Amino acid sequence: QQQVKQSPQSLIVQKGGISIINCAYENTAFDYFPWYQQFPGKGPALLIAIRPDVSEKKEGRFTISFNKSAKQFSLHIMDSQPGDSATYFCAASMTGQAGTALIFGKGTTLSVSS
Amino acid sequence: DAGVTQSPTHLIKTRGQQVTLRCSPISGHKSVSWYQQVLGQGPQFIFQYYEKEERGRGNFPDRFSARQFPNYSSELNVNALLLGDSALYLCASSPRVRDGTDTQYFGPGTRLTVL
Repeated sequence: QQQVKQSPQSLIVQKGGISIINCAYENTAFDYFPWYQQFPGKGPALLIAIRPDVSEKKEGRFTISFNKSAKQFSLHIMDSQPGDSATYFCAASMTGQAGTALIFGKGTTLSVSS
Repeated sequence: DAGVTQSPTHLIKTRGQQVTLRCSPISGHKSVSWYQQVLGQGPQFIFQYYEKEERGRGNFPDRFSARQFPNYSSELNVNALLLGDSALYLCASSPRVRDGTDTQYFGPGTRLTVL
């Protein structure tokens, strides 16, 4: 119930291509879905986030698509660049008195070839 | 503005020892969370503190403890270290904890190696 499943584990995309990473969750109490980007030796940095009352959110080259009925959400990176090569994590959290712990997927390592 | 800072950057300990990791949140942030990231995995939630009170605890043994100080900085303590405790320990801060959409800002982490 608390898991977030992420796929694929790794992804190779050509420069200028579209990178797509998918996540699925079970707990319908989750109400916040952020994506984080992590470079080697660094902490995760927030890329973009969405709430379940919105089906799509776009910020620059990054778009989250959210399917509440399927309990799935995905990250699309348009015009992928070598600088986008990093590990991407989807996450989910729920508002509650027990705090707002982020539940992370296992990550996707993206390599953008030039 | 300074981001989340953590110390030390790297740490090497032996099995059975105890370790203390430190975190300073972004100025104005009152909530601090700790996560453990094992190599090749996503971060796993350990603790969340808000206004010096524990607000959430992940599925970690009692060897793990934490506290938050009046200036909102925090310490994570791990006793009786095991080889499996080797990981990157991440601290994240957020302005508050009432709203689940609060962005959590991560520090660079402390790399703990247990030999």
